[in-house]
Amino acid sequence: QKEVEQNSGPLSVPEGAIASLNCTYSDRGSQSFFWYRQYSGKSPELIMFIYSNGDKEDGRFTAQLNKASQYVSLLIRDSQPSDSATYLCAVRAGNQFYFGTGTSLTVIP
Amino acid sequence: KAGVTQTPRYLIKTRGQQVTLSCSPISGHRSVSWYQQTPGQGLQFLFEYFSETQRNKGNFPGRFSGRQFSNSRSEMNVSTLELGDSALYLCASSLEGTRNTEAFFGQGTRLTVV
Repeated sequence: QKEVEQNSGPLSVPEGAIASLNCTYSDRGSQSFFWYRQYSGKSPELIMFIYSNGDKEDGRFTAQLNKASQYVSLLIRDSQPSDSATYLCAVRAGNQFYFGTGTSLTVIP
Repeated sequence: KAGVTQTPRYLIKTRGQQVTLSCSPISGHRSVSWYQQTPGQGLQFLFEYFSETQRNKGNFPGRFSGRQFSNSRSEMNVSTLELGDSALYLCASSLEGTRNTEAFFGQGTRLTVV
């Protein structure tokens, strides 16, 4: 069974700090990796995707992928209160998406 | 370009009733997946349809069923509703063949069973 695991949190960081979110996956055949943000009562929205080993940066967000360790992470620099949400890690293997249960992040002003 | 559209947005049903939810994917997307989300459980995969065929199925009882039409629109049906079926039901559509294509979510249908 393909699994995606995340720490459920909650994770609390002060405003301006770096938030680090982690995700591991079980299927070595996974091809691409996504981070979604979900505000309470809303649907998930894509923040970033990554499919090559290494880092990918987009503004305050950096996704990191290590396929050998089956590990993907999301760093949020200069965290803002508006970043408070649940972050979902998703893995695409073939035509199927597998989601983690999400990590709840709270940024404290 | 229109996004994924789910209807209705909110539903209140009584135990034992049945319900049908609808999802219209982004134009050109032929893969449609359904998820159930409850507090603390995360996104639980229900099933995925592609070209009118159920391609993948999650671990849900047979009371949960779905279908997809030739225009890629999909419906999900839950029969004999139970209180535990109260959840946010999300539909997502995606393109085939490109690894960096994400799943696009609709706004969801909030189902409350009383």
